[in-house]
Amino acid sequence: GAGVSQTPSNKVTEKGKYVELRCDPISGHTALYWYRQSLGQGPEFLIYFQGTGAADDSGLPNDRFFAVRPEGSVSTLKIQRTERGDSAVYLCASSLLSQETQYFGPGTRLLVL
Amino acid sequence: GQQLNQSPQSMFIQEGEDVSMNCTSSSIFNTWLWYKQDPGEGPVLLIALYKAGELTSNGRLTAQFGITRKDSFLNISASIPSDVGIYFCAGLPGGSARQLTFGSGTQLTVLP
Repeated sequence: GAGVSQTPSNKVTEKGKYVELRCDPISGHTALYWYRQSLGQGPEFLIYFQGTGAADDSGLPNDRFFAVRPEGSVSTLKIQRTERGDSAVYLCASSLLSQETQYFGPGTRLLVL
Repeated sequence: GQQLNQSPQSMFIQEGEDVSMNCTSSSIFNTWLWYKQDPGEGPVLLIALYKAGELTSNGRLTAQFGITRKDSFLNISASIPSDVGIYFCAGLPGGSARQLTFGSGTQLTVLP
């Protein structure tokens, strides 16, 4: 079946702009996760959704970052007033609520100039 | 944020050789996962471990969940060129917590 998909695959923006990154989880997966991966590092947790609600947003670095999942499927990660330090690969993962194993999408490579 | 201690950072091995990498943590995890990431792709799950002391195989890959629940290792036997990539360990603390904590990765290069 189809895996986790993310769009766009690459995004180049200018400092101060607003960006939206989209994630389509595996069909039927209730849990959805966002991670951020800097060059040469492992992914770092940002936020976790159970259905439509954010169950844990403790990894969001500041209030410029926000994520939604209004219908319990597709999720959008929103970054306001982007900074050069926001440049990274943003990864989305999904899982069944009863499973620990998380399945990742290909990521969105964000470059803030 | 916290990352697990993963070693070695990089490895260069000859095709056909076995390779071993490990992860340690100062805190306990109830689940250990091993992922492989190719350039431009997301991490792909290789092996999941759910019980302390558990030894699990997936083809040429073998992973173990340490008895103390603070470490795990991954072995790859008879390496082949397509084993090239970055390997990450990841731990899940259990309970209601669902955020994975990742190691910093082991870059594996297989020489022909």
